[in-house]
Amino acid sequence: GAGVSQSPSNKVTEKGKDVELRCDPISGHTALYWYRQSLGQGLEFLIYFQGNSAPDKSGLPSDRFSAERTGGSVSTLTIQRTQQEDSAVYLCASSLVGTGVNSPLHFGNGTRLTVT
Amino acid sequence: GEDVEQSLFLSVREGDSSVINCTYTDSSSTYLYWYKQEPGAGLQLLTYIFSNMDMKQDQRLTVLLNKKDKHLSLRIADTQTGDSAIYFCAESKGSGSARQLTFGSGTQLTVLP
Repeated sequence: GAGVSQSPSNKVTEKGKDVELRCDPISGHTALYWYRQSLGQGLEFLIYFQGNSAPDKSGLPSDRFSAERTGGSVSTLTIQRTQQEDSAVYLCASSLVGTGVNSPLHFGNGTRLTVT
Repeated sequence: GEDVEQSLFLSVREGDSSVINCTYTDSSSTYLYWYKQEPGAGLQLLTYIFSNMDMKQDQRLTVLLNKKDKHLSLRIADTQTGDSAIYFCAESKGSGSARQLTFGSGTQLTVLP
């Protein structure tokens, strides 16, 4: 498919374990974003990649969260020592270049993370 | 307070018009967007409006922008059951490739038969 692909679609983990969430952006899209969606709340910006570099990591909620992107393509979001408050849907989006009306965001279907 | 605010729920009858409202705080926002999220899916861009416009119409969708009051609305004419979804308002901040979107909490639209 030509869309943004995220895996896994659902992840249940025990408190204290590490998890890795994966995002495959649309081929050729240089910009990649991670957002977190909690119940009843909007989308919380986490991190933004332009190519392999992350000019804006301001949204990462704690040092337990990290993300990387390799080859200007696939990105992984890692959460270490998960806590129950990390339970949310993690959405990835990509765009051709940054965000703008000529470069809209394309979202994946998200990974639903549940920390028990 | 929140940068972008929306009411959480809206119910309408099939065939009626729906109006979803949004307020934002950043007067420097250049573009404002409406996204739709269906269950289990990501967000899909519906429409957008540039900040120097006050209205944009796209088929059944009408976007109204009151820049003075920082108020944005999305009107869906002849609402159908397939319009049931969460609608997010978003504003664009920053510039160039570092521009980001700030989203509201989303409005759950329920269309009743």
